[in-house]
Amino acid sequence: EVQLVESGGGLVQPGGSLRLACAASGFTFSTYSMIWVRQAPGKGLEWVSTITGGSDIPYYADSVKGRFTVSRDSAKNSLFLQMDSLRAEDTAVYYCARGRDSSGWNDHWGQGTPVTVSS
Amino acid sequence: DIQMTQSPSTLSASLGDRVTITCRASQSITTWLAWYQQKPGKAPKVLIYKASTLESGVPSRFSGSGSGTEFTLTINSLQPDDFATYYCQQYNSYPRTFGQGTKVEIK
Repeated sequence: EVQLVESGGGLVQPGGSLRLACAASGFTFSTYSMIWVRQAPGKGLEWVSTITGGSDIPYYADSVKGRFTVSRDSAKNSLFLQMDSLRAEDTAVYYCARGRDSSGWNDHWGQGTPVTVSS
Repeated sequence: DIQMTQSPSTLSASLGDRVTITCRASQSITTWLAWYQQKPGKAPKVLIYKASTLESGVPSRFSGSGSGTEFTLTINSLQPDDFATYYCQQYNSYPRTFGQGTKVEIK
């Protein structure tokens, strides 16, 4: 059974940093693209970042480019999102998801981890 | 960036109704489109990918159609479990983009 479990969310001050993790199980982690999607309170879904399977090529939304870094540790079946220079508008629930069809659509999602950026 | 526009934003319907949600892309995405269902406090769940392919385990009352710039998600005979928010997402190119969502409410 595919499982994705996020952790690392919490309250952080503007300008601060946070590292999210997503523990994956039930599939060959290194061969799949992995995606981060966020949802601000009461708002819709926003794609944040993708790291491709195999080649580990990262892609970012313009809103986080230069501030967020996606990475993976395939030996530990873990996905990470390093978030620096956080802003109030980064406040959201962050979901990790598994990508299919060249990281196109997402077939399995974690339960999400909340991030609040506030002083 | 490709903009995805869903309509309507909210839809009121009754049990047993046939419901159609439209998603328009700002440029052609051929059939690189997925539909997701999300319930409050829960993660999204994929229903349809490649515009019309039903994900395994999804009830057959859900169907998707379209290509190019115009797509539809249809729910035949609305069930209690279907009251939720629905999102389309293009994966033709980066950045991936979602529609703003359509909330299906009980009439």
